Amino acid sequence: ETGVTQTPRHLVMGMTNKKSLKCEQHLGHNAMYWYKQSAKKPLELMFVYNFKEQTENNSVPSRFSPECPNSSHLFLHLHTLQPEDSALYLCASSQDFDRGTEAFFGQGTRLTVV
Amino acid sequence: DQQVKQNSPSLSVQEGRISILNCDYTNSMFDYFLWYKKYPAEGPTFLISISSIKDKNEDGRFTVFLNKSAKHLSLHIVPSQPGDSAVYFCAASARPGSGTYKYIFGTGTRLKVLA
Repeated sequence: ETGVTQTPRHLVMGMTNKKSLKCEQHLGHNAMYWYKQSAKKPLELMFVYNFKEQTENNSVPSRFSPECPNSSHLFLHLHTLQPEDSALYLCASSQDFDRGTEAFFGQGTRLTVV
Repeated sequence: DQQVKQNSPSLSVQEGRISILNCDYTNSMFDYFLWYKKYPAEGPTFLISISSIKDKNEDGRFTVFLNKSAKHLSLHIVPSQPGDSAVYFCAASARPGSGTYKYIFGTGTRLKVLA
């Protein structure tokens, strides 16, 4: 248990569906992240939020839409996805100081697009 | 371009021996380095880290070494145990301008410790 909770753990969706992934952290962190892990690829950073403000969008297609209503919650809204978007989606949080610190990850959502 | 590289996709080590996992990076702006361990169907778990102002950090059986001039870090696990079998990710972090610290990961090395 790392203090970062993701739901659902597994999701199967059709290409015309709309779904949302949820992430919640109880660590008092101010920074939250979405990563994508595909087979045989490094974890790819998608979005970064700091105190609810998006500070980075790593050229992610618009069919992925993040939302951060407060420092504890992060959503990833999905619509009209492609089969190649099937992957493990990981949420992380960190305390963004002037110096580096570790990021804590949730268990991930295994997404399958059919 | 991949800024953090783990060139060995897999490594097998006998129980009790030393496991050495390697990582190279290209961006000299990285100032904090981390190792994560990951089991299948779970998120990465933080293992150990090192600041760029140090060259060694030790925590129990785990030691991370940083060679800034070579842009290389390594994780030593000694003695290796079967429970250490997992995928190990190297990560580097930096703050882009006035943005938020972000973490860049390597592709991972699958460690198998043989009993």
